[in-house]
Amino acid sequence: DAGVIQSPRHEVTEMGQEVTLRCKPISGHNSLFWYRQTMMRGLELLIYFNNNVPIDDSGMPEDRFSAKMPNASFSTLKIQPSEPRDSAVYFCASSWVVGGELFFGEGSRLTVL
Amino acid sequence: GIQVEQSPPDLILQEGANSTLRCNFSDSVNNLQWFHQNPWGQLINLFYIPSGTKQNGRLSATTVATERYSLLYISSSQTTDSGVYFCAVDDTGGFKTIFGAGTRLFVKA
Repeated sequence: DAGVIQSPRHEVTEMGQEVTLRCKPISGHNSLFWYRQTMMRGLELLIYFNNNVPIDDSGMPEDRFSAKMPNASFSTLKIQPSEPRDSAVYFCASSWVVGGELFFGEGSRLTVL
Repeated sequence: GIQVEQSPPDLILQEGANSTLRCNFSDSVNNLQWFHQNPWGQLINLFYIPSGTKQNGRLSATTVATERYSLLYISSSQTTDSGVYFCAVDDTGGFKTIFGAGTRLFVKA
């Protein structure tokens, strides 16, 4: 079975541009999580979904960030407009149930110039 | 919210040595996981261990939920064990998986 699939793996963009990160969870998993990793703040939970419904978005840093999960096999994290401080590695993870074992994708490394 | 503290923050080992990494958490948890982030940035599941002891090859983990800590044992360390080890817990309230700051391990050949 394929693991969690994220795209793009690397993104370099200029300040003010829109960035869209994509995630395909493991088939059959009902919960999906978006994390951000930086040297200063470590791994931060941004938002998580259960059965495609956002449950907790308290970690989303600003209104510039939004996330959607239109169906069980696809989620997006959008940043508009992007800023240099958004530079980080963004991870998507999924689990069979909320509170279950988490499986991570390989991450999307974002650089905002 | 729940606090997760890992120790030591950094660890350097000679190949073949054993080590113990610790994770303390401030409140009751539904589950606890250990991850290894390799030098390429991949986060790899090691253990899903809300309580008790598990072993997988040279690695083993013990969680004592009533005392709010977990230990990860690495025996006969190898250079490929280098990377960052994270402990992550779900609090009993909202099932948010919160990560500790990690233990950075370097194993010298």
